[in-house]
Amino acid sequence: GIQVEQSPPDLILQEGANSTLRCNFSDSVNNLQWFHQNPWGQLINLFYIPSGTKQNGRLSATTVATERYSLLYISSSQTTDSGVYFCSNYGGSQGNLIFGKGTKLSVKP
Amino acid sequence: DAGVIQSPRHEVTEMGQEVTLRCKPISGHNSLFWYRQTMMRGLELLIYFNNNVPIDDSGMPEDRFSAKMPNASFSTLKIQPSEPRDSAVYFCASSLGVAGKVGQYFGPGTRLTVT
Repeated sequence: GIQVEQSPPDLILQEGANSTLRCNFSDSVNNLQWFHQNPWGQLINLFYIPSGTKQNGRLSATTVATERYSLLYISSSQTTDSGVYFCSNYGGSQGNLIFGKGTKLSVKP
Repeated sequence: DAGVIQSPRHEVTEMGQEVTLRCKPISGHNSLFWYRQTMMRGLELLIYFNNNVPIDDSGMPEDRFSAKMPNASFSTLKIQPSEPRDSAVYFCASSLGVAGKVGQYFGPGTRLTVT
């Protein structure tokens, strides 16, 4: 089946630092999304980005569909950025998103 | 604008009892998804509706699970009878269009504990 691999699995940052999270796919990228699950469990849609680059404040994402990977950049990290970041891709059947195992980010003050 | 609404937020029940989880999608969205999240298996899609019709239920673990969407603004996920291994956080998400081409938006989840 389609594989979604995220790296690193865990990341600890000092507040103000920048970071890059990576997502690799075993199949073509059709419906790439990045989500943030905050410490309270809420899943928040960050980007829908099947290709190209998008930016939203301190966060930006780039997907290189031909090479089957996506990157999430977090600049000037804040403690509120802590949580788990998931990427997901279209699993093949309509609407079926396959999620990676996530990157757990901890931003220390 | 209200997001996806789920109820209850927490549910504790005894093994063998029936559990019903409820979801109200974002107004205007025509796709609705039920997910389950556990430490062992991560996020898994259980079932997906488009225009109130179940499209893909291959993720429903077994016959004890059933889902309905009687209209565009309401869906239920029922577990009967419940078992301790059903303990998880159940998320409902909605999107506009097939395969969520503008992204899926998640509700706050229902944390289910079956004792």
